[in-house]
Amino acid sequence: DAEITQSPRHKITETGRQVTLACHQTWNHNNMFWYRQDLGHGLRLIHYSYGVQDTNKGEVSDGYSVSRSNTEDLPLTLESAASSQTSVYFCASSTSGSGNEQFFGPGTRLTVL
Amino acid sequence: AQSVTQLGSHVSVSEGALVLLRCNYSSSVPPYLFWYVQYPNQGLQLLLKYTTGATLVKGINGFEAEFKKSETSFHLTKPSAHMSDAAEYFCAVSDRGGGATNKLIFGTGTLLAVQP
Repeated sequence: DAEITQSPRHKITETGRQVTLACHQTWNHNNMFWYRQDLGHGLRLIHYSYGVQDTNKGEVSDGYSVSRSNTEDLPLTLESAASSQTSVYFCASSTSGSGNEQFFGPGTRLTVL
Repeated sequence: AQSVTQLGSHVSVSEGALVLLRCNYSSSVPPYLFWYVQYPNQGLQLLLKYTTGATLVKGINGFEAEFKKSETSFHLTKPSAHMSDAAEYFCAVSDRGGGATNKLIFGTGTLLAVQP
């Protein structure tokens, strides 16, 4: 069965370190998205991609970057982790076009000390 | 800019009672509308969505929602709550029309508790 996976599921890091969160989907979806979930804010869009070599900034992109070298993967990098980036991160994917369902991964809980 | 408001961050119902979770959107053009559910320590799962056509949409697990353009609302209901419905529910919208991006804008979520 097609799926979307994230790794690691839990990560503890220190302020200032570079961290990369992996997202891998086997749906063959063109669209991929990264969100962060914080209490009282719901999910907020960090970055998204509509295909290979395409990346776009979302609502809360400062301090994050992504790259899309193939269809299956969209890794999220925190260049220099900050305590404000402690959060749960979700990756999602969807087919091209508007109004389509996004399929979500299980999430990565990141703690920055 | 689009926004989504979910009234009530916590809702508690008794098992067998009606579930009503409220969602209002703010958009000049009616967007695509979604309800997602999140069980503890899991990702989000689509319950239902409205794109076009019939304004009463049926989803999984007995949930349904009605799109009311005049009220800019998309409230989620279930006639009889079950213990397994305890979860967090998110309303989300995405734009439509030329240049639509398929980005989702989420409400802040409603945590549903079901009492025995």
